[in-house]
Amino acid sequence: DIVMTQSPDSLAVSLGERATINCKSSRSLLYNSNKRNYLAWYQQKPGQPPKVLIYWASTRESGVSDRFSGSGSGTDFTLTISSLQAEDVAVYYCQQYYSTLYTFGQGTKLEI
Amino acid sequence: QMQLQESGPGLVKPSETLSLTCTVSGGSITNYYWAWIRQPPGKGLEWIGNIYFSGNTNYNPSLKSRVTMSMDTSKNQFSLKLSSVTASDTAVYYCAMVATIAPPNSWFDLWGQGILVTVSS
Repeated sequence: DIVMTQSPDSLAVSLGERATINCKSSRSLLYNSNKRNYLAWYQQKPGQPPKVLIYWASTRESGVSDRFSGSGSGTDFTLTISSLQAEDVAVYYCQQYYSTLYTFGQGTKLEI
Repeated sequence: QMQLQESGPGLVKPSETLSLTCTVSGGSITNYYWAWIRQPPGKGLEWIGNIYFSGNTNYNPSLKSRVTMSMDTSKNQFSLKLSSVTASDTAVYYCAMVATIAPPNSWFDLWGQGILVTVSS
């Protein structure tokens, strides 16, 4: 299995400040033939299903605020929220789809 | 706008079989990959398995011996059966669609609201 490890487990950020969440995979998620990283980021608010924010490590899903950005390659990835808003309070998960034994990170709880 | 809705019993006894159905509306179930994912209360996400409209399946090895997924194209539904359940199978169960770009190696871009299944006598 590809193990996904997020850091930190929880994070408190002031409104308007930047939030950074890290995700490390146990093997490279970069597929050499197409140079794509097979990693997605999700946001989950209480009582709701996860919602995809980013895929291919850095492609923002349609309708997602441009305050959300993804970066990284290989085994190390980052989700950045540029200016935290109250509605961004949620748990964030990374997920690899390089292998069809899909695996998620343990989640990072973002608070204000 | 395609939508997914899980249905089934919210309470299952230990050692019995958990059975859930996902109904797809707003589009056809054919030509897509579908998935079941679960989340124990207060914990993270665990992928259970995928099914393609052809009936091909792919299960998480940790659950493979207990999981069966099937599809009913006439009803636009797909289903999950998990046998010999224990308290550790208590979770919110989500059905989801694998994104249509490069499936099955894609993310999950459409989710149902989820259904809480509790395993208890």
